[in-house]
This record gives sequence, structure tokens and C-alpha cells, in this order.
Amino acid sequence: DAGITQSPRYKITETGRQVTLMCHQTWSHSYMFWYRQDLGHGLRLIYYSAAADITDKGEVPDGYVVSRSKTENFPLTLESATRSQTSVYFCALSGGENSPLHFGNGTRLTVT
Amino acid sequence: GQNIDQPTEMTATEGAIVQINCTYQTSGFNGLFWYQQHAGEAPTFLSYNVLDGLEEKGRFSSFLSRSKGYSYLLLKELQMKDSASYLCAVLDSNYQLIWGAGTKLIIKP
Repeated sequence: DAGITQSPRYKITETGRQVTLMCHQTWSHSYMFWYRQDLGHGLRLIYYSAAADITDKGEVPDGYVVSRSKTENFPLTLESATRSQTSVYFCALSGGENSPLHFGNGTRLTVT
Repeated sequence: GQNIDQPTEMTATEGAIVQINCTYQTSGFNGLFWYQQHAGEAPTFLSYNVLDGLEEKGRFSSFLSRSKGYSYLLLKELQMKDSASYLCAVLDSNYQLIWGAGTKLIIKP
């Protein structure tokens, strides 16, 4: 049971293109998160969701859009990709506010 | 502002003991997490401390002092597979996770 699945694992896109990263869970956890991880920075929160149809901005939301129409899916869309969005993106889940995070395998995105 | 400090890199010898420190200044405190992240992989949960003291889990232990804003992760009987980055994260008063930049641990034979 994978629990949390991210796709694609690797993506190369061009500046200005729209890109959607997928995150799917099979555990029915309430909380879902999108992080980016870059060298020299800790994990930075982009968006999070406490439940279906409830989303909120994190530390670095600009240039990103999320939706959560179903509990199990939390896609992240880059509306018009920029080179500064080249990064590793992790989706994560937790069962409660002070529960540990479970991370997906990540998506390595390169914007050329 | 909120801040978490960890050493950038540490080196230790196989079979030895290493202590990775984490100091934090946050708006409130609702717990501290340690995660392990191998190169090219996702972080995985190691430990959670919310009360002062030492929590032991096999070869790994985590300590917390809330009054000092300080935690450490202690790894005993180091193995080559312990080569990884170790991430410290604090849950603030709004239940937002504040992350340190991580400590890269290099284990030498």
C-alpha cells in the first residue's frame, strides 16, 4: 500500500507553460501539504489543506494554485512556470495538527 | 521572526556516537520533530518531542529542553546507512511547522 503517490517523478517543462503535479492518498488523512525543497533552504510550505474544499496559503504560494475537490487528491498547478520554480516538490499528509508528516516520493521539476 | 538553527554538516565514524543539535526561536511551541532524509529521497519521521526530556527509540534518541529552545538527536552505534540529512522542525502556536535547513551527516568507515 503506497499510501501517498506523487506523479510524475520527473518533469522538464519550458518557461511559461502550465504544469500540474499530482498527489493522491489512500489513507483518508485530513491534512495535505505541498512543499518545495531547494539547496540552502529548509522545506518551504507552498499550500496546505485541512479538508476537502479547504485550502490555505503557506510561506511561498505565489505562482501556484491548488484545489481539493476530493479528500484523496491534492494537485498543485504552476500556472506559468518560471525558472525559479525549478525544485523538488513534496506532497505530505498528516492525520492531525501535531501528527507527523508522511511524505510522497517527490517530483523533481526542471523549468528551462 | 521564527528561526531554527542546525549545523550544516557533521562527520562521524562508523560505530561511534553523534549528537546533532537544533536550537529554535518560534512563536509558541507545540512540539518538535526530527526527520531523516537520504539523498534523493523523501524525509521520513524519526521522533516527536513535546515534553522536556529524552525519548529513546532503538539506536536513536531525541532530547528536548523547552526553556532553552534546544533539542538534540543522538545516534548511537553509527552505521553507514545513517549517512543522510537530519531535519529539525518545530510546530508553532498556530500549528505551523517551521523547518531547519537540515544537517548533512557523513559517516566514514
